[in-house]
Amino acid sequence: QKEVEQDPGPLSVPEGAIVSLNCTYSNSAFQYFMWYRQYSRKGPELLMYTYSSGNKEDGRFTAQVDKSSKYISLFIRDSQPSDSATYLCAMKGGSQGGSEKLVFGKGTKLTVNP
Amino acid sequence: KAGVTQTPRYLIKTRGQQVTLSCSPISGHRSVSWYQQTPGQGLQFLFEYFSETQRNKGNFPGRFSGRQFSNSRSEMNVSTLELGDSALYLCASRRTSGSDIQYFGAGTRLSVL
Repeated sequence: QKEVEQDPGPLSVPEGAIVSLNCTYSNSAFQYFMWYRQYSRKGPELLMYTYSSGNKEDGRFTAQVDKSSKYISLFIRDSQPSDSATYLCAMKGGSQGGSEKLVFGKGTKLTVNP
Repeated sequence: KAGVTQTPRYLIKTRGQQVTLSCSPISGHRSVSWYQQTPGQGLQFLFEYFSETQRNKGNFPGRFSGRQFSNSRSEMNVSTLELGDSALYLCASRRTSGSDIQYFGAGTRLSVL
């Protein structure tokens, strides 16, 4: 079983839809959870960063972490064509800023149709 | 403020050759990490350097190596290239060891023929 599982999609939604992206993981030591967005021919950029369980909201984006289920989610409200990209979850254990490596999901490709 | 710069952007090599990729981190960032991204395996961690020392290493063969210079610029080298080394190689920098926020470059796309 891979440490982090993420449905690769592709996922296609109409503009204005609510998008739900998810990852599951097996390593109970993970405590720091991130979502990255990667546009075509670009490097990933950090969207959300959360510690332990709970919700975090930033504009149209909401990240949820359920450590008991080893499940994290990213919700995008009022999706826009500019949100079309690949979304990667990432996570790590240890301490904040420590040397532990980030483990990434394979990414979900999202297309938002006008 | 300039972002993470990777050179070259594209590279074509043949099996058995070696290759060196370069990464210039954001000014003031002392930590540089390297990742390999492929459709099959996704983003996989190669290694991290901080203040010229390798702090962590992923599960890659010894053909993959790296180094960091005193100005924080980093290079990674792949020797005896194999077809399976074809990938997007990404470099990421972060401010200090106290931050998890990494900033990625656009990557070097390596094709091995």
